[in-house]
Amino acid sequence: AQKITQTQPGMFVQEKEAVTLDCTYDTSDQSYGLFWYKQPSSGEMIFLIYQGSYDEQNATEGRYSLNFQKARKSANLVISASQLGDSAMYFCAMREGTPLLRSNYKLTFGKGTLLTVNP
Amino acid sequence: DTEVTQTPKHLVMGMTNKKSLKCEQHMGHRAMYWYKQKAKKPPELMFVYSYEKLSINESVPSRFSPECPNSSLLNLHLHALQPEDSALYLCASSLDVSRTHKPEQYFGAGTRLSVL
Repeated sequence: AQKITQTQPGMFVQEKEAVTLDCTYDTSDQSYGLFWYKQPSSGEMIFLIYQGSYDEQNATEGRYSLNFQKARKSANLVISASQLGDSAMYFCAMREGTPLLRSNYKLTFGKGTLLTVNP
Repeated sequence: DTEVTQTPKHLVMGMTNKKSLKCEQHMGHRAMYWYKQKAKKPPELMFVYSYEKLSINESVPSRFSPECPNSSLLNLHLHALQPEDSALYLCASSLDVSRTHKPEQYFGAGTRLSVL
């Protein structure tokens, strides 16, 4: 079974509008972390935002916010005021395990959502 | 400054060649990673180094040989590769593999490898 599910292969949004990219996850661990990365066509993976499983408030970084709903196991990325430069592939990723376990090292990525911002 | 530098950006090699990919970071990170990414797929972890020691090898074929000469450098030595090894190879680093505060990994721009 997939641990990270991104159900939207592609999304379109008009410039200056907000967009939500969906991510659901599956884990039995109590301690885990959720990440969003942006990958433009150039290839570099750019870290956007992080949410720890024990964090009580939703993470925000500038125009990015993470809508964390623990009971529903969802960690959706919200991009406000979209810009043309936001066009890219977006990956949701999860790190499981406690600090003492090897599994902590690994990021499991979803399949990604290709976002296109239209002028 | 969150910068991971990878060289070369592009590499074309034959199946009998030996080449190396290089990754460098000066952020004081003690964990470094190699990922392989095929087109239109997510990255797949290959190796993890923690404090210059190999911590994880995700059952990668021996034609890929990682090396961590010091805390800032990570190499990936390539020998006798197959055409299916053509991919984008990404290097990443993080403060510490076990850190829960600021656990994010920072990636380089990658090396696009073509094996002929």
